[in-house]
Amino acid sequence: AQSVTQLGSHVSVSEGALVLLRCNYSSSVPPYLFWYVQYPNQGLQLLLKYTTGATLVKGINGFEAEFKKSETSFHLTKPSAHMSDAAEYFCAVSEGGANSKLTFGKGITLSVRP
Amino acid sequence: GAVVSQHPSRVICKSGTSVKIECRSLDFQATTMFWYRQFPKKSLMLMATSNEGSKATYEQGVEKDKFLINHASLTLSTLTVTSAHPEDSSFYICSAKTGGKDTEAFFGQGTRLTVV
Repeated sequence: AQSVTQLGSHVSVSEGALVLLRCNYSSSVPPYLFWYVQYPNQGLQLLLKYTTGATLVKGINGFEAEFKKSETSFHLTKPSAHMSDAAEYFCAVSEGGANSKLTFGKGITLSVRP
Repeated sequence: GAVVSQHPSRVICKSGTSVKIECRSLDFQATTMFWYRQFPKKSLMLMATSNEGSKATYEQGVEKDKFLINHASLTLSTLTVTSAHPEDSSFYICSAKTGGKDTEAFFGQGTRLTVV
């Protein structure tokens, strides 16, 4: 079984400030971890993913995340927030494999103040 | 990345009617497609997993006779909401992936269904 915990439902930062969105996971096997972004009334866009190898993963739009097995975490960060980063962010886990399904966290709304 | 197209993007239907939502992989062959439902301010709930040419596998609590899924080709899967009711109003999202262990799932843009 697998699960994802995203604490809090809303994060607000000032433009130019650090963005930190937290994600903790539970998985019975080595996990594959993902961060997705969703803009209103749109589907999901992959920001980045961890499968194997380097634990610090860089994604699109300046985002990165670090897989920490000891903490079962995969927090998303961006050094400097931009207004266009305002969106819904979902962390997800899968157990790999051809048919593997994603289990999503409940999502976090990121607001960026001018 | 690869493109998954979902149609329609919005649909309004009357109670008791059926609605079909299409999910197409435009530039790759999707051996597996997933259908999700998303409630307002909520996460995505997986409804079912479908593999081309075989019956869909539904998640616990999802009525397979109400949400009919067909994955007849490697580029097309359809979700039909039968005898729709207002409580079926939601945002439905599909995703598609090729076979293979580390392949990425690509998401459609979603369909906003409103049942009146």
